[in-house]
Amino acid sequence: GAVVSQHPSRVICKSGTSVKIECRSLDFQATTMFWYRQFPKQSLMLMATSNEGSKATYEQGVEKDKFLINHASLTLSTLTVTSAHPEDSSFYICSARDPGQERLISGANVLTFGAGSRLTVL
Amino acid sequence: LAKTTQPVSMDSYEGQEVNITCSHNNIATNDYITWYQQFPSQGPRFIIQGYKTKVTNEVASLFIPADRKSSTLSLPRVSLSDTAVYYCLVGSRPSGGYQKVTFGTGTKLQVIP
Repeated sequence: GAVVSQHPSRVICKSGTSVKIECRSLDFQATTMFWYRQFPKQSLMLMATSNEGSKATYEQGVEKDKFLINHASLTLSTLTVTSAHPEDSSFYICSARDPGQERLISGANVLTFGAGSRLTVL
Repeated sequence: LAKTTQPVSMDSYEGQEVNITCSHNNIATNDYITWYQQFPSQGPRFIIQGYKTKVTNEVASLFIPADRKSSTLSLPRVSLSDTAVYYCLVGSRPSGGYQKVTFGTGTKLQVIP
């Protein structure tokens, strides 16, 4: 099946620095990727939709200048947390539509998720 | 997007069948029901998707009554490795496009030895 690779899996940074998280679709092209954030014991919260070759679409309440998303190719989307603060510490997860499953299932979108990136801001 | 309601948590002994029910009273005609599984510190994994009646795959079964206002994910003979959070989602796929996938609170299943 489709695989989404996310890197790094864990990152620790100092307050005020920027951190980049990469999300790659392996063996398939992903024109659209989705970025989620998950705090401990909470559900996933959709942050933004990343579109290849165009600007990302951010959910209400998500600062686009703080969470920079770049989808420069059909297999790579990056999330940069700029000027990170301790409250940005969270589990960030990317996903892409699974073309294989969507060919088998004619219903709703089916997403394949990366393994997530644990960000800790000191 | 139709809102879903699931139990916050469930406990089950190993070897038992587990049924997790999800309510989605406002489901639209074109909506499908999708379930994901998430282990701690991992991204969610697609389990099963269905529209009506019953769908079965190698992992689980999904039962959907005629009114489609609820659905039940059935996990046969659970093991400790099935301990996870299970999310029920409702949505459709616009022709040639996509719909945002938003997650509800999910059901934390704890399998007990």
